[in-house]
Amino acid sequence: AQSVTQPDIHITVSEGASLELRCNYSYGATPYLFWYVQSPGQGLQLLLKYFSGDTLVQGIKGFEAEFKRSQSSFNLRKPSVHWSDAAEYFCAVGSHSGNTPLVFGKGTRLSVIA
Amino acid sequence: DTAVSQTPKYLVTQMGNDKSIKCEQNLGHDTMYWYKQDSKKFLKIMFSYNNKELIINETVPNRFSPKSPDKAHLNLHINSLELGDSAVYFCASSQAGLAANTGELFFGEGSRLTVL
Repeated sequence: AQSVTQPDIHITVSEGASLELRCNYSYGATPYLFWYVQSPGQGLQLLLKYFSGDTLVQGIKGFEAEFKRSQSSFNLRKPSVHWSDAAEYFCAVGSHSGNTPLVFGKGTRLSVIA
Repeated sequence: DTAVSQTPKYLVTQMGNDKSIKCEQNLGHDTMYWYKQDSKKFLKIMFSYNNKELIINETVPNRFSPKSPDKAHLNLHINSLELGDSAVYFCASSQAGLAANTGELFFGEGSRLTVL
């Protein structure tokens, strides 16, 4: 079964600084990978996804992520963080077999300071 | 128009009561889900329905019973509520025609259940 690890529970960055949120997955084949963002009191919104092809994927709100098969990683990056990016970020992995739900990591809370 | 809507958004109730949370999606998706998010923000799948048929039922107490009257609705009924049921429950849907795990999930805003 697939699994996801987000090693950082909470990260604080200064506004304008760059950001990288880590995600490692465990899956026997090429996974489907997702990053979702959850603002306070809201549901989850998809930032970006990787199914195949180019390993660097662009998402909404200026985010990107890079799939590295050798490291089983799918880290999320943003060159310059805005205060409105403060939220909870979830990495998720899906498998190619049918009827297996997305498995989510435990999330990384991002705080942005002035 | 809200794509995936859940009601109520907040629910406070006593132990032992029975309550329901409703979910509707207007995206035309065939697959709908219930996820539970605990106090540590951990998201865990509970159920998945595809075109009104149950396809995923994780290890959930049988006090939880999903009901899908049509493919646009997936309601969650909980009997004999316990303190440990306190959580945020998220409804989600995904695109028809794809395996349930590969499609993008569209989430509702969540229903925060507090059991006293």
